[in-house]
Amino acid sequence: GAVVSQHPSWVICKSGTSVKIECRSLDFQATTMFWYRQFPKQSLMLMATSNEGSKATYEQGVEKDKFLINHASLTLSTLTVTSAHPEDSSFYICSAREKTLELAGFSYEQYFGPGTRLTVT
Amino acid sequence: GQSLEQPSEVTAVEGAIVQINCTYQTSGFYGLSWYQQHDGGAPTFLSYNALDGLEETGRFSSFLSRSDSYGYLLLQELQMKDSASYFCASRGGASASGGSYIPTFGRGTSLIVHP
Repeated sequence: GAVVSQHPSWVICKSGTSVKIECRSLDFQATTMFWYRQFPKQSLMLMATSNEGSKATYEQGVEKDKFLINHASLTLSTLTVTSAHPEDSSFYICSAREKTLELAGFSYEQYFGPGTRLTVT
Repeated sequence: GQSLEQPSEVTAVEGAIVQINCTYQTSGFYGLSWYQQHDGGAPTFLSYNALDGLEETGRFSSFLSRSDSYGYLLLQELQMKDSASYFCASRGGASASGGSYIPTFGRGTSLIVHP
């Protein structure tokens, strides 16, 4: 089955530093990857859509200079939280849509990574 | 825009049947998905309804009524391991960023299964 990995699974960093989170599709090519943020007991909030070879599109209220997204290949997207602050502490989850399914029109299913828990002290 | 409403919490006993409802308001709608998420874990896809009616996958079934803007997830023969959060998500049209087929998630329903 389609597997998406994230690295690291958890990270603790000091306020003001930057953190990079990787999202990889292990056994399929992903045309589109999504980045979500989830606070405890809350829903998944879409932050941005990452398309291979083009700039990410950000949702309203998400600072593109703070959350840098790079989708360099069909199997890798990265999210860098720059100048992290305690309020950025959250669970960050990526998901991917399979290229062949998307081209065929079956683009409703997303494969989620295991998530990265970020704690900023 | 899109919004989905679902109950915040549902409790049931092992072996029982439980239904989690989801009502939606969307500017464009293509289908309703359901995801399961255990504490600390990632969401896993359960089902998708594009058309009206019932979709059955083992112990889980999902229903959609487009005319009522309503759907539900039915879980049968509940097991303790079914305790988790369940999210409905709409596959709608353009998101705030202008992208298409971007899902919007409901707030999630915490299912607690008691022995």
